Amino acid sequence: NAGVMQNPRHLVRRRGQEARLRCSPMKGHSHVYWYRQLPEEGLKFMVYLQKENIIDESGMPKERFSAEFPKEGPSILRIQQVVRGDSAAYFCASSPESGARDTQYFGPGTRLTVL
Amino acid sequence: GENVEQHPSTLSVQEGDSAVIKCTYSDSASNYFPWYKQELGKRPQLIIDIRSNVGEKKDQRIAVTLNKTAKHFSLHITETQPEDSAVYFCAASIYDMRFGAGTRLTVKP
Repeated sequence: NAGVMQNPRHLVRRRGQEARLRCSPMKGHSHVYWYRQLPEEGLKFMVYLQKENIIDESGMPKERFSAEFPKEGPSILRIQQVVRGDSAAYFCASSPESGARDTQYFGPGTRLTVL
Repeated sequence: GENVEQHPSTLSVQEGDSAVIKCTYSDSASNYFPWYKQELGKRPQLIIDIRSNVGEKKDQRIAVTLNKTAKHFSLHITETQPEDSAVYFCAASIYDMRFGAGTRLTVKP
């Protein structure tokens, strides 16, 4: 049973480019969460999605950031026109449809570096 | 929304000693309190969790206590070992999770 998968693991972008981060939840999980972690800091909630729906995006910056979790395929976190301050580790987590719905399992993260 | 505070931010103990990390939360509706361990460059790993209908839970050398009246919960690690060195995060959840800022635990051999 594969865990939460994220790719790429490392992503380098120049200022103004777009970054696309992908997250495939664990099998049987339909809830996906995205977090940002700056160096030496904690995990900041960004967005909570279920299939085809954004449930809570209260932690997402209003501009340049968007997320989706389509019916088929991975969840995507998209950052347009990246700036140096976007450099961080981005983790996604997933939780199951039933049972312990709030127990979240994390992926390995994508480390974004903006030059 | 939920606000979680975690103390201390750094903790250094001698191998074999106990370590205690404390968290407080603001939303009395929170009902799930997990603890994660994150080693350098790795993903957060769930180590123990507690739900609001339980006051204490233990798993080998780690235990978590919850005081719903005071809205605080704690992680206790006994007989610490160097491999316990990591950053520990507490979290509180109703529907989605809010994390504390983390505690960097160093266990000196």
